[in-house]
Amino acid sequence: SQTIHQWPATLVQPVGSPLSLECTVEGTSNPNLYWYRQAAGRGLQLLFYSVGIGQISSEVPQNLSASRPQDRQFILSSKKLLLSDSGFYLCAWSVGTGSYEQYFGPGTRLTVT
Amino acid sequence: GQQVMQIPQYQHVQEGEDFTTYCNSSTTLSNIQWYKQRPGGHPVFLIQLVKSGEVKKQKRLTFQFGEAKKNSSLHITATQTTDVGTYFCAGAGGTSYGKLTFGQGTILTVHP
Repeated sequence: SQTIHQWPATLVQPVGSPLSLECTVEGTSNPNLYWYRQAAGRGLQLLFYSVGIGQISSEVPQNLSASRPQDRQFILSSKKLLLSDSGFYLCAWSVGTGSYEQYFGPGTRLTVT
Repeated sequence: GQQVMQIPQYQHVQEGEDFTTYCNSSTTLSNIQWYKQRPGGHPVFLIQLVKSGEVKKQKRLTFQFGEAKKNSSLHITATQTTDVGTYFCAGAGGTSYGKLTFGQGTILTVHP
């Protein structure tokens, strides 16, 4: 069966510090991978998606970047965090070229102080 | 770009009452999906609707997709405390690789 891992679960970082969040998927090959941010427990904002190694599409220009160094690994990064980067970061995967259901990881709660 | 609006934002019900959340898209959708997020948890996929006018049921939950494929609803009959959470609709606009536009969600509180 497929599983998706995210770490860390919670993170408190000072403004101006770097960020690296990691997401890995097991049990599937060539998944589509997504990074979302959820502010204040409400809607999900798509940040990045990837359909293959090294292929990243950005949905919202901002202080963040993403990379996919391996087929089932997706990394979200920032060189200098802003207060507005605080939120709940969710990684998700799907398969296929159509619009299929997405499966979410447990998420990382980031607080920038 | 595509926008998906969801109402109401909040709904408080007594256990046993019914609940409905509505979703409207600014554009025609190829399909619509529904997710549930428990407090403190992550979204979990519930169902996908693809056909115009489609109705699907999962026990006490009934999902509908509008004839024009621009709106959808989720109805819960006789709510239980286990139904507490945020319900999201997510629209797919027909682009490849599964990009979804999520509604803002409806937060459901069930009072015992």
